[in-house]
Amino acid sequence: QQQVKQSPQSLIVQKGGIPIINCAYENTAFDYFPWYQQFPGKGPALLIAIRPDVSEKKEGRFTISFNKSAKQFSLHIMDSQPGDSATYFCAASMKTGANNLFFGTGTRLTVIP
Amino acid sequence: NAGVTQTPKFRVLKTGQSMTLLCAQDMNHEYMYWYRQDPGMGLRLIHYSVGEGTTAKGEVPDGYNVSRLKKQNFLLGLESAAPSQTSVYFCASSPGQGPYEQYFGPGTRLTVT
Repeated sequence: QQQVKQSPQSLIVQKGGIPIINCAYENTAFDYFPWYQQFPGKGPALLIAIRPDVSEKKEGRFTISFNKSAKQFSLHIMDSQPGDSATYFCAASMKTGANNLFFGTGTRLTVIP
Repeated sequence: NAGVTQTPKFRVLKTGQSMTLLCAQDMNHEYMYWYRQDPGMGLRLIHYSVGEGTTAKGEVPDGYNVSRLKKQNFLLGLESAAPSQTSVYFCASSPGQGPYEQYFGPGTRLTVT
């Protein structure tokens, strides 16, 4: 059973567009929500992360929006560039335990020049 | 710093053969993890370790064993490979009780025929 549901599976946008990737969870014990970026042939790398005590976090062109009551969070990429073409994974972990991450199924983003 | 390295990068096994995947990290991290990545499934945790000499089961541990005899190394073993274990395997490490970023290796592509 997928603990973190992610959509869409794939996304194609024009350069300069704002792709939005959505994730949802049920387990209220989750308290850390990172996004990982993965390029072909590479391991995932942390892009940005949020705790549930804030509703939004920005780092450069990347923004996470978090809705605690709806148990949903999303990634927005402003002014997207061809270099942003990658697979994006949302994830969640709990305060207790070994920081185990529960990943979404991934979104393959293509930014067309 | 090399970060997290994995050996080998590629491997083809016949059903029933055994093999060991090696993960090494040079960041003095306490926690280490093994994931498998399959199309449409995201990354799923196989086993993890919270310190030298400790191991624990993740979401999908069946058919795998692990050992952490040295803090910097985490080994993943397949005793009798099955086609269902065809996947890309990623190792990751993190500093300890967090939440902290997990640092991923470049992956091992395993095919079982």
